[in-house]
Amino acid sequence: AAGVIQSPRHLIKEKRETATLKCYPIPRHDTVYWYQQGPGQDPQFLISFYEKMQSDKGSIPDRFSAQQFSDYHSELNMSSLELGDSALYFCASRPNPGQGADTEAFFGQGTRLTVV
Amino acid sequence: GENVEQHPSTLSVQEGDSAVIKCTYSDSASNYFPWYKQELGKRPQLIIDIRSNVGEKKDQRIAVTLNKTAKHFSLHITETQPEDSAVYFCAVLYNFNKFYFGSGTKLNVKP
Repeated sequence: AAGVIQSPRHLIKEKRETATLKCYPIPRHDTVYWYQQGPGQDPQFLISFYEKMQSDKGSIPDRFSAQQFSDYHSELNMSSLELGDSALYFCASRPNPGQGADTEAFFGQGTRLTVV
Repeated sequence: GENVEQHPSTLSVQEGDSAVIKCTYSDSASNYFPWYKQELGKRPQLIIDIRSNVGEKKDQRIAVTLNKTAKHFSLHITETQPEDSAVYFCAVLYNFNKFYFGSGTKLNVKP
């Protein structure tokens, strides 16, 4: 079965550079979540989208932005990178919550971002 | 918003013993409560979930109980094995589309 695809898997950037992370949800999943997970920490919610609109915002820095496109894939854009942005970034998708089924969020394998 | 608290942060048990991890949440409107297992460097993966109209659910060695009145739910792992060693996260679905995680419990099963 198709899973959530994230690219790239690994990314190394220098301070003050920009990075773009991509997430391709499971087909027919229209809700996407982005999480940041530092070493030994729990996934911190950044932002979510439902039907191409931002649905919730968490602890996402102003230097970051994200969007969901017409094909439901999402991109997380990170500018002016700092050393503290080094983390594992997960994307997760869920089917339409309005269809009456509360289902799990399926996670991608993550993008490991290292800022040097 | 929702506030999810998870305890303990670390748990060490002997192989064959049981492990219990507890989460509390703040919003009574929350209606879906999954548990995820995350091995080092890998994605969180669902191990069991429970919905608000059910008090308990069991799947082999794993069970989850939900007390909606007290707003807490717990993960129970019986006959623990070394491969159960991982970080476990509870999560709460709030307002149908908002997904929040607990802070995680690092479980170590000693052979």
